[in-house]
Amino acid sequence: KAGVTQTPRYLIKTRGQQVTLSCSPISGHRSVSWYQQTPGQGLQFLFEYFSETQRNKGNFPGRFSGRQFSNSRSEMNVSTLELGDSALYLCASSLGDEQFFGPGTRLTVL
Amino acid sequence: QQQVKQSPQSLIVQKGGISIINCAYENTAFDYFPWYQQFPGKGPALLIAIRPDVSEKKEGRFTISFNKSAKQFSLHIMDSQPGDSATYFCAGLSGTYKYIFGTGTRLKVLA
Repeated sequence: KAGVTQTPRYLIKTRGQQVTLSCSPISGHRSVSWYQQTPGQGLQFLFEYFSETQRNKGNFPGRFSGRQFSNSRSEMNVSTLELGDSALYLCASSLGDEQFFGPGTRLTVL
Repeated sequence: QQQVKQSPQSLIVQKGGISIINCAYENTAFDYFPWYQQFPGKGPALLIAIRPDVSEKKEGRFTISFNKSAKQFSLHIMDSQPGDSATYFCAGLSGTYKYIFGTGTRLKVLA
């Protein structure tokens, strides 16, 4: 069974731009969560989607948004990028309580 | 109340030794406690997990000990190997579908 896939793996953007990251969950998993990982803050929860509905949201500004499609694939968008948004963005899919992570997208904001 | 406090921040162990990483939580609604292992450049990988109705769970060289009254749990890596060198994260999950992660422990096992 294929694992969680994320595209692109690496991105370089400049301040003020926007970015869209994509995540394909493990087949059969309907829950997708997004996290931001930085050296200083660790793994911070962004939001979780189940059957196209956002069920929970972390403490991030409105510039961070996401959505989930009917095939469970998910995207997250960050608008008006700031230098502090440079991070590894991780997607995870869940079946029940077990959560499995993708390799992440490394976003660098210049 | 949502925090999971993890210690130590870093750990150096000799090959063959026991690595112990501790976590403490505040939210009594947590009902699932996983541990993740992360290598550089990779996403975290689920290692082992426990529920609060069990005091210990063992899978190979990895053991979780859980103390519900103290709201603490720990990961023990027996016979630590250089290949175990990675960052380890504990987490708690409540019914709100939101995992709260510890800050991570960087383990280095010396050959």
